[in-house]
Amino acid sequence: NAGVTQTPKFQVLKTGQSMTLQCAQDMNHEYMSWYRQDPGMGLRLIHYSVGAGITDQGEVPNGYNVSRSTTEDFPLRLLSAAPSQTSVYFCASSTGTGKDYNEQFFGPGTRLTVL
Amino acid sequence: GDSVTQMEGPVTLSEEAFLTINCTYTATGYPSLFWYVQYPGEGLQLLLKATKADDKGSNKGFEATYRKETTSFHLEKGSVQVSDSAVYFCALSDIGGSYIPTFGRGTSLIVHP
Repeated sequence: NAGVTQTPKFQVLKTGQSMTLQCAQDMNHEYMSWYRQDPGMGLRLIHYSVGAGITDQGEVPNGYNVSRSTTEDFPLRLLSAAPSQTSVYFCASSTGTGKDYNEQFFGPGTRLTVL
Repeated sequence: GDSVTQMEGPVTLSEEAFLTINCTYTATGYPSLFWYVQYPGEGLQLLLKATKADDKGSNKGFEATYRKETTSFHLEKGSVQVSDSAVYFCALSDIGGSYIPTFGRGTSLIVHP
């Protein structure tokens, strides 16, 4: 199993550009989430999904869109990039069932810089 | 709402020193508690967990005991190594609420030879 994969690893954007951060998992997990990690702020939840076709907002959703058309994929779209979105982005998944339902599996991250 | 408070870092230790990273929590229900570790340039990975009061989670020489009376889940290791240098996150997941875990802000550990 590859686990949780994220692409790209690094990205530089100009203000106003749009892009999609890709996330995929091959563990048949129902739950998937996007976080951003900033110095001194820990992890902040952007959006999450409890299954295909179901998404909801987290703590810091503004400027980001998500969709979940398949169990495996959970892309994060930046609509119009701003310097405040410079961050490291992590995707995570969990089974949502059983005794380990809430154990999170994280991807390696995407480091995004917005100029 | 649920919250997790960790001691601020960085924590700087010499190799073979004893480590404690404090973590306290606030939760409305009966949460599961976790420690995650993030090595440089990587994503977080689960280090250990405990699902009920007085449970002790352990892994790779690290331990943490779920203390309901003090709402704490302190991380300890008897003898740290340079390879333990990383950022450690305490987290809770409240089965009475959303499945989404609540994370602390992380504590950076630096171990010198």
